Amino acid sequence: AQTVTQSQPEMSVQEAETVTLSCTYDTSESDYYLFWYKQPPSRQMILVIRQEAYKQQNATENRFSVNFQKAAKSFSLKISDSQLGDAAMYFCASTGGATNKLIFGTGTLLAVQP
Amino acid sequence: GAVVSQHPSRVICKSGTSVKIECRSLDFQATTMFWYRQFPKQSLMLMATSNEGSKATYEQGVEKDKFLINHASLTLSTLTVTSAHPEDSSFYICSAQTGSSVSTDTQYFGPGTRLTVL
Repeated sequence: AQTVTQSQPEMSVQEAETVTLSCTYDTSESDYYLFWYKQPPSRQMILVIRQEAYKQQNATENRFSVNFQKAAKSFSLKISDSQLGDAAMYFCASTGGATNKLIFGTGTLLAVQP
Repeated sequence: GAVVSQHPSRVICKSGTSVKIECRSLDFQATTMFWYRQFPKQSLMLMATSNEGSKATYEQGVEKDKFLINHASLTLSTLTVTSAHPEDSSFYICSAQTGSSVSTDTQYFGPGTRLTVL
């Protein structure tokens, strides 16, 4: 079965600093996708970044980038130049193969200190 | 960007009554819609997947007769919680995507509905 693990329930970062959120996953699929979603206090889920497992190049979206280590089954999210609006719950998720559904991790609550 | 709405945003009902939650894709046609349940400070748990015009596929442990899902059109899916009880109180989130592949088609999420059963 596919599993996604986020070992950091809470993280804190100073405004303008960089923070990395950890995520590990387990899958037997050879073709899968990994995602980071943001859930701010409004509860609206927003896609932050997506990585195809077959791509070696790490995905980047403006201040957000990932460190995808396929052999280690690790998929961390780096947020650079943190802003107050980045404060939210961040969920790592994966999908792939016959399981046409997203499997979410337990989330990391990120606080941004001014 | 693609927008998904949910109605109502909050609902309070008495135990034993039924509640319907609507999920609409406002500017795109959604081949597939998903319903999730989220308990406080917890992750999203997939309840069911629905494709337009066909029966929903429920996850293990989700009661089909209690959580009725209808995906009548490419822009509307409804979740009806029948004979609601206090343990059904939760935050319900829907999502929609244009195609049938979770991997390649982006899921757009609704803002959620908070259900409180007294």
